[in-house]
Amino acid sequence: QQQVKQSPQSLIVQKGGISIINCAYENTAFDYFPWYQQFPGKGPALLIAIRPDVSEKKEGRFTISFNKSAKQFSLHIMDSQPGDSATYFCAASIRNTGFQKLVFGTGTRLLVSP
Amino acid sequence: DAGVIQSPRHEVTEMGQEVTLRCKPISGHDYLFWYRQTMMRGLELLIYFNNNVPIDDSGMPEDRFSAKMPNASFSTLKIQPSEPRDSAVYFCASSLQIPPNTGELFFGEGSRLTVL
Repeated sequence: QQQVKQSPQSLIVQKGGISIINCAYENTAFDYFPWYQQFPGKGPALLIAIRPDVSEKKEGRFTISFNKSAKQFSLHIMDSQPGDSATYFCAASIRNTGFQKLVFGTGTRLLVSP
Repeated sequence: DAGVIQSPRHEVTEMGQEVTLRCKPISGHDYLFWYRQTMMRGLELLIYFNNNVPIDDSGMPEDRFSAKMPNASFSTLKIQPSEPRDSAVYFCASSLQIPPNTGELFFGEGSRLTVL
């Protein structure tokens, strides 16, 4: 129940296209869903996050769509650029304990071709 | 701020040797986490500390792994004896108490461990 399932494992998108990464969870107690971006040789860094009281959150070219009933959420990268090539992790946590004990998905390696 | 600082960045050792990984969290952060990243299992939480006290070490794979946080600015993850299956990238991360903060995790650049 603590798992977050992420797909696809890897993704190749043409420059200017839309990248879509999907995640699903089982534990309905999760109440915070961040996405982390990791470039080669670096640690993951927070990209965008959403709470389950909204269905969508947009920051620039990055959008999280959240479907509470289906227990699914996804990251959309509009107008994908080569600089977006990285590994993306979805995650989930329960925020009532004063901190985030994150459960991460297995990651999606995105390659945006020029 | 310099961010979370980890050392060494790369470590190659032979099976049976002791390995010590080090972490300096961001000053003022209440929480410190040790994660392990592998291709097969992704990011796994090994242990976390709150105000230097270990809270949950249920992710530590075996007794060969131990972690300490002697003060607010330093933590170590030790593997003794090391085995080839311990080869992975080990990340340290720190965060502030939530609320009032977002709970964002700040990761270091990781320590890549190779056990031959």
